[in-house]
Amino acid sequence: DTAVSQTPKYLVTQMGNDKSIKCEQNLGHDTMYWYKQDSKKFLKIMFSYNNKELIINETVPNRFSPKSPDKAHLNLHINSLELGDSAVYFCASSQQPGMGEQYFGPGTRLTVT
Amino acid sequence: QKEVEQDPGPLSVPEGAIVSLNCTYSNSAFQYFMWYRQYSRKGPELLMYTYSSGNKEDGRFTAQVDKSSKYISLFIRDSQPSDSATYLCAMSGGTGGFKTIFGAGTRLFVKA
Repeated sequence: DTAVSQTPKYLVTQMGNDKSIKCEQNLGHDTMYWYKQDSKKFLKIMFSYNNKELIINETVPNRFSPKSPDKAHLNLHINSLELGDSAVYFCASSQQPGMGEQYFGPGTRLTVT
Repeated sequence: QKEVEQDPGPLSVPEGAIVSLNCTYSNSAFQYFMWYRQYSRKGPELLMYTYSSGNKEDGRFTAQVDKSSKYISLFIRDSQPSDSATYLCAMSGGTGGFKTIFGAGTRLFVKA
C-alpha cells in the first residue's frame, strides 16, 4: 500500500496552460510538503501545510497555488505554465513540521514545451 | 555561502569498498540530521535520521553528526552495486524553523 502517492506521474503540456498535481498520504501525518527538484537534482521546498494550515510559503511565483482540502491531501495548481517550470515536483509528508523524517512520493515529472 | 554544502561527485568505488559521504552546514541551530537515498527517477527515501550529535548505526550504514564542527557523515560498509544512487543530506529544526534544508546530493557509483 503506497504511503505517499502523486498523480499524474508525467505531465507534458504547452506554455500558458494551467495544470494541477494531486498528492495523498495514508500515513496519518499532520504535515505535507511540495518540493521542486531541478535538473541538477537540487531539492527546494515550495510550500508546507500542517493540519490544513499553510506554514511554509517560499519565494515562489504566485502562479503556483497549493490547496489542502484535508490532512491527507495536498494539491498544487500551476497557472500560465512557463518553460522554467519544467522539473520534478515531489510531495512529502511528516508527522510534525520541522522534525526531520519526511516521506516522499514518487514525483511528478513536468515538461513544459 | 549555502546553508548546506555537499560535494555533488560523482564518486565511483569498487564493490566492497567503504564509502564516506559528507556535508557541512552553517546554521548551528539545526537539530535534526537526515540522509536520504534517491534512485534514478524515484523519490528520495529516508535512510538515516539522527537527533543532535552522535553516531547511529543501521546495518551497513553509519551516520555521524559533529555539531561542534558543523559536519555530518554517512559511511557505507561493504558497498554493493545496489547502493549506486544519489545521497542527499538534510537538516532541520532549531531557529531554522519548519524548513528542511537539503544538500545538493552526491552521486555514488559502486562498480561490480
